Amino acid sequence: GAGVSQSPRYKVAKRGQDVALRCDPISGHVSLFWYQQALGQGPEFLTYFQNEAQLDKSGLPSDRFFAERPEGSVSTLKIQRTQQEDSAVYLCASSLARAPAPETQYFGPGTRLLVL
Amino acid sequence: AQSVTQLGSHVSVSEGALVLLRCNYSSSVPPYLFWYVQYPNQGLQLLLKYTTGATLVKGINGFEAEFKKSETSFHLTKPSAHMSDAAEYFCAVSESGSARQLTFGSGTQLTVLP
Repeated sequence: GAGVSQSPRYKVAKRGQDVALRCDPISGHVSLFWYQQALGQGPEFLTYFQNEAQLDKSGLPSDRFFAERPEGSVSTLKIQRTQQEDSAVYLCASSLARAPAPETQYFGPGTRLLVL
Repeated sequence: AQSVTQLGSHVSVSEGALVLLRCNYSSSVPPYLFWYVQYPNQGLQLLLKYTTGATLVKGINGFEAEFKKSETSFHLTKPSAHMSDAAEYFCAVSESGSARQLTFGSGTQLTVLP
């Protein structure tokens, strides 16, 4: 497909389990973003990659959250020892990253995580 | 630090009526401004964006927004609502320069009544 894809679409985890969320960006897109969207809220920035380099991880809420993009394409967001407050929709977005104007970010459908 | 305020978490309009969704922002540098729409169980789709130049921006599906620096606003309008416009709308800001992430408002759920 031509858009950003994410898997799984839904994930139920027991408190304390580790989870891994996958993002496949649009082919050729240099930049990749992760956002967390709590119920009834707007998305909040988690982390940003340019190719394989993680340039900003200031939005990661704790050291239980880890993201990687080892080959500059697919990215994985990992959450260790999940807590109930981690329940949210996790959105991935990619963009071409052409300077100087801000490029459009294209969003995937998200992964809805429920921690019981 | 930048922030976005969307006044009205829920807005209802009749089909054919004017749609007005409000967005105010704060930013320490000239901002880039965006409106996204989110349909249930789907990702966010860009409606329009303001970077530089003309302050009245036209987007998809008949929507437009006007950047008013003096009011720090970027309200979204559409002259005539369609049933298919029912969705959640998010205003977002990105600061010019190297920062690339978007800061979103909390969203406005638009209901279109027949």
